[in-house]
Amino acid sequence: QVQLQESGPGLVKPSQTLSLTCTVSGDSLSSASSYWSWIRQPAGKEVEWIGRIDTTGNTNYNPSLESRVTLSVDTSKAQFSLKLTPVTAADTAVYFCARELYSMVRGLINSQFDYWGQGILVTVSS
Amino acid sequence: DIQMTQSPSSLSASVGDRVTITCRASQSISINLNWYQQKAGKAPKLLIYAASSLQSGVPSRFSGSGSGTDFTLTISSLQREDFATYYCQQSHSIITFGGGTKVQIK
Repeated sequence: QVQLQESGPGLVKPSQTLSLTCTVSGDSLSSASSYWSWIRQPAGKEVEWIGRIDTTGNTNYNPSLESRVTLSVDTSKAQFSLKLTPVTAADTAVYFCARELYSMVRGLINSQFDYWGQGILVTVSS
Repeated sequence: DIQMTQSPSSLSASVGDRVTITCRASQSISINLNWYQQKAGKAPKLLIYAASSLQSGVPSRFSGSGSGTDFTLTISSLQREDFATYYCQQSHSIITFGGGTKVQIK
């Protein structure tokens, strides 16, 4: 059973850096066909994909956040991390880490988030 | 970005009802459509992937259909534990989610 756990500060001041880490257990970060993503959910607003990383360090970011986001991975610790800077109140949200699994279905490639962390509320406020 | 529009945004139903939720993509996404269930304070849970494949461990009363731009999630006989919010999500290009459908008790 794959488990993911987010950790990091729950309160960040405006203009500073939001830093979160996701620790993975029950699976290897280097599993074939797996990418590792960050997703956020502001209260009452739409769920937003932030970006993904694989264990070689290849990244893809949501263009809406790309200028402010950096993802990194530490396979020795089975962790991947998110940095978002500078933050504003609009970045207040529950942040989730998730495994994105790629699979072949009916001859076509699909990806889906099959394992998620429990989520961590990050509030941006002075 | 591909916009995902879910309807309805909320619905009220009774235990045993058949429930249908629709999701429309702003352009064709083939079968790259997944459905999730989210309960308050919890992470989303994968129900259906690739439009119609049932995720392991998910009850067979959940089913999905569609391709291209129009997709449907059906719960054949609503159970008490199914009252939750449901989201569609496309993985055809930059990942986007629908706005959600809240299923409430009538």
